[in-house]
Amino acid sequence: SAVISQKPSRDICQRGTSLTIQCQVDSQVTMMFWYRQQPGQSLTLIATANQGSEATYESGFVIDKFPISRPNLTFSTLTVSNMSPEDSSIYLCSVEEGSSGANVLTFGAGSRLTVL
Amino acid sequence: GQNIDQPTEMTATEGAIVQINCTYQTSGFNGLFWYQQHAGEAPTFLSYNVLDGLEEKGRFSSFLSRSKGYSYLLLKELQMKDSASYLCAVRDENYQLIWGAGTKLIIKP
Repeated sequence: SAVISQKPSRDICQRGTSLTIQCQVDSQVTMMFWYRQQPGQSLTLIATANQGSEATYESGFVIDKFPISRPNLTFSTLTVSNMSPEDSSIYLCSVEEGSSGANVLTFGAGSRLTVL
Repeated sequence: GQNIDQPTEMTATEGAIVQINCTYQTSGFNGLFWYQQHAGEAPTFLSYNVLDGLEEKGRFSSFLSRSKGYSYLLLKELQMKDSASYLCAVRDENYQLIWGAGTKLIIKP
């Protein structure tokens, strides 16, 4: 299965600042997915990053708050902009492997952000 | 709306058997997944069910009943390393993954 390197693994950020999370995959993939996991809650899909086109955002998430880059088939970044304490969460990137509905998600180790 | 329900937390004894239930209400169904997530780590894939019945994989088995909107993950011969959160996820008619909040499993000696 794909190996995903994600950084930073954790950070403490000040309110109002922005932080960019990087995700590197060891193989070429069409789509990369960015998730948020808040304490005690389920995984929530933020957006799907496609190479060569704009990311597709889920309801409740907007590009101004979570800009995404996808410069090639192995790399993506997610920026959390103008952070507030409510953005404190674990952010995970993932890729799908397999075919049709049996696609399995492989995740990066996650980036744990704490906003003060 | 779409919903996945799982118990928040369960406790079991080392060497025993535990069953983690998952019920779902989704628009359509294209498969159900179980993932394991150790504290501070990424979720990792455990099992996939798309047809009714039991899928066995070593100490872990997963069952699905589509008519009842129900699945369970069965863990046998529990080991301390099985202490983790177990996430249930369903792929809906649009192939979107709907995630449960996870069940934290605590194994005691």
